[in-house]
Amino acid sequence: NAGVTQTPKFRVLKTGQSMTLLCAQDMNHEYMYWYRQDPGMGLRLIHYSVGEGTTAKGEVPDGYNVSRLKKQNFLLGLESAAPSQTSVYFCASTGKGFAGELFFGEGSRLTVL
Amino acid sequence: GESVGLHLPTLSVQEGDNSIINCAYSNSASDYFIWYKQESGKGPQFIIDIRSNMDKRQGQRVTVLLNKTVKHLSLQIAATQPGDSAVYFCAENVLNTPLVFGKGTRLSVIA
Repeated sequence: NAGVTQTPKFRVLKTGQSMTLLCAQDMNHEYMYWYRQDPGMGLRLIHYSVGEGTTAKGEVPDGYNVSRLKKQNFLLGLESAAPSQTSVYFCASTGKGFAGELFFGEGSRLTVL
Repeated sequence: GESVGLHLPTLSVQEGDNSIINCAYSNSASDYFIWYKQESGKGPQFIIDIRSNMDKRQGQRVTVLLNKTVKHLSLQIAATQPGDSAVYFCAENVLNTPLVFGKGTRLSVIA
């Protein structure tokens, strides 16, 4: 089983460029999340979705947008990348609501020059 | 907001010994706790979870202890193996809100 798949796995951007990270899950999960992970900061929630067509802001949403047009996909967009957005991004999903095991993807490493 | 933190950022353990990774939480309303393991270059993997109506839960070689009086959570790994070397995160949530993750503890197993 594929589980949670993130694309791309690596990307280098110049300041001001835009890009979209794609997260796809094949477990029919309702809840999906985007986190960023920086050294010494743990996992910080950017945006999340509790179902198709819904999105909500997390702890660090500024500079990012998301869309959940299909249940299996959760897209994270950067409209105008900044060096502060250099990070490793993780997508996760769960079928158990907020209090349940999250299944994570392998991460997408983004560098903004 | 409330925070989830860890007492020790790094922990070195001899192979075969037991490991104890600690986590302090500050939100007395938290009702669900979970531990994740993250190996280098990979996404976090679920280890074990516990709800606030329990004080202990056991898995395969792992035990989670919850002390609500002092708001403390610990993960015990029995007979630590080289494959246990990773960063371990605790996370908590309050009803109907997303999980909040701690900053992580790196476990290094000495062969």
